[in-house]
Amino acid sequence: KQEVTQIPAALSVPEGENLVLNCSFTDSAIYNLQWFRQDPGKGLTSLLLIQSSQREQTSGRLNASLDKSSGRSTLYIAASQPGDSATYLCAVIPQGGSEKLVFGKGTKLTVNP
Amino acid sequence: EPEVTQTPSHQVTQMGQEVILRCVPISNHLYFYWYRQILGQKVEFLVSFYNNEISEKSEIFDDQFSVERPDGSNFTLKIRSTKLEDSAMYFCASISSSRREGELFFGEGSRLTVL
Repeated sequence: KQEVTQIPAALSVPEGENLVLNCSFTDSAIYNLQWFRQDPGKGLTSLLLIQSSQREQTSGRLNASLDKSSGRSTLYIAASQPGDSATYLCAVIPQGGSEKLVFGKGTKLTVNP
Repeated sequence: EPEVTQTPSHQVTQMGQEVILRCVPISNHLYFYWYRQILGQKVEFLVSFYNNEISEKSEIFDDQFSVERPDGSNFTLKIRSTKLEDSAMYFCASISSSRREGELFFGEGSRLTVL
């Protein structure tokens, strides 16, 4: 059974810092991995989608990498801003018959001005 | 930018009552999903829907739950007789094409509180 873990559960950094959020998954057989942002009491906003054949994806100040063989992904945020404060979730679609996303619990990021 | 819209944003109901949560997926999307998130816990899959039928459901999605696409735009989740443990944020999601290659788009969620 696929399990997704995100460490740390919470992270607090000063504005301007570059930071890395970690995601690990137990079974390397995945179709893709998706990173989401969730603001308190709100929905999930898709940030980046990485297909299993890809190593990384970039969007603005965000860069996500995928190392399938080791079951890891990282989300790099450059020059963090207070507006980046949110919970960041990663999720995978396991290979096989299922089409469901399996989520981690998220990392709650606080960027202090 | 196209988005998934959900109503209501918050519903409070008494235990045992029926609840219907509504979603309007992105218009050209073909696959539809419900997920839920109990406070402080992971987002978890409930059900997927394609071509007017359920394609996959989780153990959570028991006989108390049902989904329907009554017309060309709405996608609903019905809980027949709510329990306290159904209190959660319910998210609708949709995807345009291949479920295993495409990007999943979520709505803002409907918060259900069962008293």
